[in-house]
Amino acid sequence: DTGVSQNPRHKITKRGQNVTFRCDPISEHNRLYWYRQTLGQGPEFLTYFQNEAQLEKSRLLSDRFSAERPKGSFSTLEIQRTEQGDSAMYLCASSLDGSSTYEQYFGPGTRLTVT
Amino acid sequence: AQSVTQPDIHITVSEGASLELRCNYSYGATPYLFWYVQSPGQGLQLLLKYFSGDTLVQGIKGFEAEFKRSQSSFNLRKPSVHWSDAAEYFCAVDSGGGADGLTFGKGTHLIIQP
Repeated sequence: DTGVSQNPRHKITKRGQNVTFRCDPISEHNRLYWYRQTLGQGPEFLTYFQNEAQLEKSRLLSDRFSAERPKGSFSTLEIQRTEQGDSAMYLCASSLDGSSTYEQYFGPGTRLTVT
Repeated sequence: AQSVTQPDIHITVSEGASLELRCNYSYGATPYLFWYVQSPGQGLQLLLKYFSGDTLVQGIKGFEAEFKRSQSSFNLRKPSVHWSDAAEYFCAVDSGGGADGLTFGKGTHLIIQP
């Protein structure tokens, strides 16, 4: 088990372009979370999946943001029509439902720069 | 809604000295509490957690934290810091058993002086 992985690690895009990030959770984990972290701040919760079901998406920042987890394994986060304010680190985490401790394990993140 | 306050943005400690990082939370019931560490270019690593029971919890890398319900605090401590402890430290709360995600503080940047 190599932990949570995220790709790409860095993404530079021009304003108005669409971007997609991928997260591969720890293999036996059925919960998957996305967070955004801006400079000088703690991570901010965006959305959460249990298996393939997206159970919380009201915290997505705008309708330009969407996430999928089609087979209950990896997940993608897409940002459409990127804006400079979207520049941030996007973190993915996973956990095991039914665990008594709800520990979330984080990936290394994808750093997005919008020019 | 729950919130987490880390009042110290930066803390500088000499190598070998003791450390205490402060964390206060706002939540009606007893939440699940966590401390994470983030080194440059790295993801968040879980140091320790509190759910119930003994209010003094031990974590990795020689860290411990004490939950004080009366003060709504969960301060992180280490008796003797090493240069490798220089990093960003985040306190977090989970009130929904995972369903609402974690709520993080803004972090404390730890600087170690030789």
